[in-house]
Amino acid sequence: DVKVTQSSRYLVKRTGEKVFLECVQDMDHENMFWYRQDPGLGLRLIYFSYDVKMKEKGDIPEGYSVSREKKERFSLILESASTNQTSMYLCASSLDRGAQPQHFGDGTRLSIL
Amino acid sequence: QKEVEQNSGPLSVPEGAIASLNCTYSDRGSQSFFWYRQYSGKSPELIMFIYSNGDKEDGRFTAQLNKASQYVSLLIRDSQPSDSATYLCAVTHYGGSQGNLIFGKGTKLSVKP
Repeated sequence: DVKVTQSSRYLVKRTGEKVFLECVQDMDHENMFWYRQDPGLGLRLIYFSYDVKMKEKGDIPEGYSVSREKKERFSLILESASTNQTSMYLCASSLDRGAQPQHFGDGTRLSIL
Repeated sequence: QKEVEQNSGPLSVPEGAIASLNCTYSDRGSQSFFWYRQYSGKSPELIMFIYSNGDKEDGRFTAQLNKASQYVSLLIRDSQPSDSATYLCAVTHYGGSQGNLIFGKGTKLSVKP
């Protein structure tokens, strides 16, 4: 079974802090994704990566950056956290961007105070 | 703009009935179709995927795809209270510069004992 592990289930940070969310997958997948999920807005893609050191902007990249130094690890960085970034953050990985499904981690519920 | 539309619900069915969940998509080039189940506060979990027109069955679940009409549906037979969750439809256009999944906002299903 695919295992996608997110470093924290719950996280509370303060406005202006730099926040790191970590994601690790154990299936040697090429593709990794970061989403946020908010009530009424569904899943929105923040960034994705299809190879080590490669990254592409998704639909809502503003205020975020990512890092992929190793194939199994994809990090999401909130450069200066703001209250409107309070959300559920979901990491996913897939073998093939188009034909294969994405497998999700358990999610991180992030609160910015 | 590629879109995936789902009725938000809630869809309420009695225990033992068939639940029918529908999804329409706008991109005629879409090739792969996925259904995810998401319990409240949890991450999406893959239930089924379908690539070809017609029906695909897996236990109590049947996915139906009609590319000409651009819809995909999920039938749940013998619905159980444990099936109560939000069901997300995801569609991918395999090709071009993206090829990522586009998620609908989900249909909330409630199965009454």
